Amino acid sequence: NAGVMQNPRHLVRRRGQEARLRCSPMKGHSHVYWYRQLPEEGLKFMVYLQKENIIDESGMPKERFSAEFPKEGPSILRIQQVVRGDSAAYFCASSPRRTYGLGLAGIHNEQFFGPGTRLTVL
Amino acid sequence: AQRVTQPEKLLSVFKGAPVELKCNYSYSGSPELFWYVQYSRQRLQLLLRHISRESIKGFTADLNKGETSFHLKKPFAQEEDSAMYYCALQNAGGTSYGKLTFGQGTILTVHP
Repeated sequence: NAGVMQNPRHLVRRRGQEARLRCSPMKGHSHVYWYRQLPEEGLKFMVYLQKENIIDESGMPKERFSAEFPKEGPSILRIQQVVRGDSAAYFCASSPRRTYGLGLAGIHNEQFFGPGTRLTVL
Repeated sequence: AQRVTQPEKLLSVFKGAPVELKCNYSYSGSPELFWYVQYSRQRLQLLLRHISRESIKGFTADLNKGETSFHLKKPFAQEEDSAMYYCALQNAGGTSYGKLTFGQGTILTVHP
C-alpha cells in the first residue's frame, strides 16, 4: 500500500490562475479530509468528503474554493483565481470509514496523511 | 468553539534529558486527543492517542480533563526524537464527523 498520494508536490501559480490539487487515498479508504497549513500556523481543517459526497465543508472559504471526490479517481481541491494569501501547504488525509470515537462502534479510525502540496502564488 | 494550544513553538533539550511538550485544549464535549509527529522530510503520522493509553517510542501523554491538558512526555530524549509535534483534537460525533483541530506545533530539537 503506497499510502496517501498527493500531486503535484509543488505548484506555482500566478495570481488569477487556477490551482488543482489531487489526493489519492489509501487503497480501501473512502473518506478524505483536506487541511491547509498557512505559514507559521498549524493545520486547519477545510473539508471532509466521501465518495461523491461532501460531508462537512465548514472550513472551506466561501468563494473560489471547491472540492470533489468522484466515484472514480482522486479527490480534487480546486482553487480558482488564486491570490497570494492562498500560498500554503495543503494536506489530505484518508481513513477507511468515518472517523469518530467511542460511539456505537467503539472504534477510532486513524487518518493517514499525504505528503502535502506546497502552493506558491506569485 | 474548539481550540488547541501549544504554547511552545520551539523546544530544545539535550540527549538523555526529560522532555515535555505542552498542549492545552478547549472543547465543550468529551474530547479525543492525539499527538502527531512529522520527522524531517516525512509525512505527518500519528504518534499516540489518548484512548489507547499506550507508550510509543517512549512517549506518553495523559489526558487531564481538570486542567484541559494533554502534555506529551518522555523521560529520556533521543536525537531521533527531533521533529515537529502537533497536538490535535477530534470531534467525537455530531455534524463535524471527526475533523481534526490542530495546535500550532512545537519543533523539538534534541542536541547530542
